[in-house]
Amino acid sequence: DTEVTQTPKHLVMGMTNKKSLKCEQHMGHRAMYWYKQKAKKPPELMFVYSYEKLSINESVPSRFSPECPNSSLLNLHLHALQPEDSALYLCASSQEAGGRARTEAFFGQGTRLTVV
Amino acid sequence: GNSVTQMEGPVTLSEEAFLTINCTYTATGYPSLFWYVQYPGEGLQLLLKATKADDKGSNKGFEATYRKETTSFHLEKGSVQVSDSAVYFCAPGDTGRRALTFGSGTRLQVQP
Repeated sequence: DTEVTQTPKHLVMGMTNKKSLKCEQHMGHRAMYWYKQKAKKPPELMFVYSYEKLSINESVPSRFSPECPNSSLLNLHLHALQPEDSALYLCASSQEAGGRARTEAFFGQGTRLTVV
Repeated sequence: GNSVTQMEGPVTLSEEAFLTINCTYTATGYPSLFWYVQYPGEGLQLLLKATKADDKGSNKGFEATYRKETTSFHLEKGSVQVSDSAVYFCAPGDTGRRALTFGSGTRLQVQP
């Protein structure tokens, strides 16, 4: 099983709502990632979890709050978002968690988020 | 951190034409190199990879060779198909950030 599963596939939320994006993998990977992708742009790294601990936060606003409850799950909690936060949010996992990034990352299909 | 320069798109080709998408990078050390493909409305899929100098990654008729001297990892395919229409991203591994750094992406459009 080389699958990363993201739910929901689509999400529309108001600026005062609280919602969560979910990501799951069963490959035994110990590194998990959140990326944000705007239209016609490359994915931009948001967060990196290594062995269930947050290791990198790319200066992401606090209205995005990641959580890694266990080695298979990764959540992204959303609160008080702005319309410019509308994007495709991609989760990924990789075997390598030792800081060398030599192994490939597997991506989910993404959650397409629209903030109204 | 790393930086990646990828050729601008869109690249429009006729079916069975030869494809080259250029990618050069700057990085600390000798990272693994990856090409990812993104079909419309989907996430990213690993297309191929190379982990050391002179390695050639290949998959589905696509190839790329890790050129340490020129810090390049150009993607090639001898005969493209309409189904190859997608966005292609070059991505060196970033040993500092422990994550991939993506190039700007090159959109390929293959016409029948």
